[in-house]
Amino acid sequence: EVKLQQSGDELVRPGASVKMSCKASGYTFTDYAMHWVKQSPGQGLEWIGTIIPLIDTTSYNQKFKGKATLTADKSSNTAYMELSRLTSEDSAVYYCAREQLYVMDAWGQGASVTVSS
Amino acid sequence: IQLTQSPSLLSASVGDRVTLSCKGSQNINNYLAWYQQKLGEAPKLLIYKTNSLQTGIPSRFSGSGSGTDYTLTISSLHSEDLATYYCYQYNNGWTFGGGTKLELK
Repeated sequence: EVKLQQSGDELVRPGASVKMSCKASGYTFTDYAMHWVKQSPGQGLEWIGTIIPLIDTTSYNQKFKGKATLTADKSSNTAYMELSRLTSEDSAVYYCAREQLYVMDAWGQGASVTVSS
Repeated sequence: IQLTQSPSLLSASVGDRVTLSCKGSQNINNYLAWYQQKLGEAPKLLIYKTNSLQTGIPSRFSGSGSGTDYTLTISSLHSEDLATYYCYQYNNGWTFGGGTKLELK
């Protein structure tokens, strides 16, 4: 069974950074790209970026360049996303999702980030 | 590519045939998928490549379309289908539509 287990919810101060994880199981981690998606409260879905773990290649939505950094650890089958210089606009639920043939076919449970002093 | 979904809110009754629309700002070349998201849950893939049903998805869901205009149809609405539905294009980068919330009339 394909499973993406995300790290827990975070409460962070404005201006700080947060790094969240997405541990994959049930498939060969390096065979698939991993996407990250943002969902602001009561809003729709925004594509943040994607990483190809096999070759550590990343692609970002222009809106999130400089905000999000995607990495992957092949030894632990885990993808990471770090968000920097956090503001209230970054408060959202963030999902990781596996890509199969350009479609996100399996999703993590989501991780909530709340930016507040 | 921008995706516009209509309507943003749809009220329907159990047993109704329901049609949701998604329009692209340019040709999507059938690289269009549909997701269902229930409250508090992650999105779930229903349809990919315009009309291919994802494994495990009931056959009452179907997709159609071409060019810039695409449709998700639920042939007979079940109560568990109440959710928000997003279209998603992967012809040029990756973009989601704004969503259609399906509620009980």
